[in-house]
Amino acid sequence: QVQLQESGPRLVQPSQTLSLTCAVSGDSINSGNYYWSWIRQPAGKGLEWIGRVYTSGSTRYNPSLKSRVTISVDTSENQFSLKLSSVTAADTAVYYCARNFDGGTSWFDPWGQGTLVTVSS
Amino acid sequence: DIVMTQSPDSLAVSLGERATINCKSSQSILYSSNNKNYLAWYQQKPGQPPKVIIYWASTRESGVPDRFSGSGSGTDFTLTISSLQVEDVAVYFCQQYYSTPLTFGGGTKVEIK
Repeated sequence: QVQLQESGPRLVQPSQTLSLTCAVSGDSINSGNYYWSWIRQPAGKGLEWIGRVYTSGSTRYNPSLKSRVTISVDTSENQFSLKLSSVTAADTAVYYCARNFDGGTSWFDPWGQGTLVTVSS
Repeated sequence: DIVMTQSPDSLAVSLGERATINCKSSQSILYSSNNKNYLAWYQQKPGQPPKVIIYWASTRESGVPDRFSGSGSGTDFTLTISSLQVEDVAVYFCQQYYSTPLTFGGGTKVEIK
């Protein structure tokens, strides 16, 4: 079955850009009508959807983060990526990648294991 | 944005007893054209990602025990664990997928009394 795995720096300096990649295995990122999302969760808190990308490159972002977020897809590498600029301590969180479908309006399944990114000098 | 409000924040239930979690959306998430409620429930255990257990408000994901059930429509929803087991200790989240931005409830922590 499809598996997702996040990777990228675990420590980012304030004001810099957070960059993460989600590798998709077990199937082609192009197969099916799937959308690929990033979600984050600060320690001990709730979940925040960051945004999603379709394999065409079409994106939709959470307005709360839209000015700082870029999500892209690389179908040749079977992966998609997140860039979050001008980070502060408030961006410290576990970042998950996940899949959904149906125009992007569905539940998320599966999820990656998540990666903790800390913003600190 | 559709705001999802869960209650309670936490609850402690004896083994074998019923646990009930509520989720309220700030606007209806019932899509009239297909009569479906665009709501999912997730279970998250420590150190793990969330796992979907219910979607369309009441459809149980494959492999999820039938002690888990979802109900409700419009703006008010409930997740019920009919007979709490040790392995059900977790945080539970609701999520609406009616419109973007997709939003989650704040979570309910379920513990053993």
